[in-house]
Amino acid sequence: GAVVSQHPSWVICKSGTSVKIECRSLDFQATTMFWYRQFPKQSLMLMATSNEGSKATYEQGVEKDKFLINHASLTLSTLTVTSAHPEDSSFYICSASGGRVGETQYFGPGTRLLVL
Amino acid sequence: SQQGEEDPQALSIQEGENATMNCSYKTSINNLQWYRQNSGRGLVHLILIRSNEREKHSGRLRVTLDTSKKSSSLLITASRAADTASYFCATDPGNTGKLIFGQGTTLQVKP
Repeated sequence: GAVVSQHPSWVICKSGTSVKIECRSLDFQATTMFWYRQFPKQSLMLMATSNEGSKATYEQGVEKDKFLINHASLTLSTLTVTSAHPEDSSFYICSASGGRVGETQYFGPGTRLLVL
Repeated sequence: SQQGEEDPQALSIQEGENATMNCSYKTSINNLQWYRQNSGRGLVHLILIRSNEREKHSGRLRVTLDTSKKSSSLLITASRAADTASYFCATDPGNTGKLIFGQGTTLQVKP
């Protein structure tokens, strides 16, 4: 099956700093990537949809200036958490698809962010 | 808000027993998917069932879909300790690729 990687797998940072998380599709071209956030013992919540070469669309309640998304190529999308605060501590998971409607999404292994 | 509700929230069984998890959703769908998540890991796609299908099998997995009741079930037969994980149903109500996940069922299979 298709493989999606994320880097880093975990990160600890100080409050106020910015953290960049990468999501890569390793063996297919991902026209669309999705970013999810998962708090402990909760389900995944969609944050934003990232399309290659265009601006990301954010779900209601997600601050686009705080969570910067860049999808510069068909194999890479990045999520930057700017001026991170302890409440941003979470598990961030990306998924990727070829962009066709109804196509299976392939999920990355997730990035655990801890903001001190 | 979440599209899906799942029950039970937690399930603990002995190895070899069957495990059944249920998922309900709110709006009409084209398909419903089930995913597994091992603790602290990403999601693994298990099975997709389309709205015109009533039942689908994949190995030890059996998924049913009742669109009239807006519900689906996932049955894992002859469970193994390695099946211990959280299981989520997901729908794409707008057919846009944006998945809406259920709350999930945490399954523990005791050896």
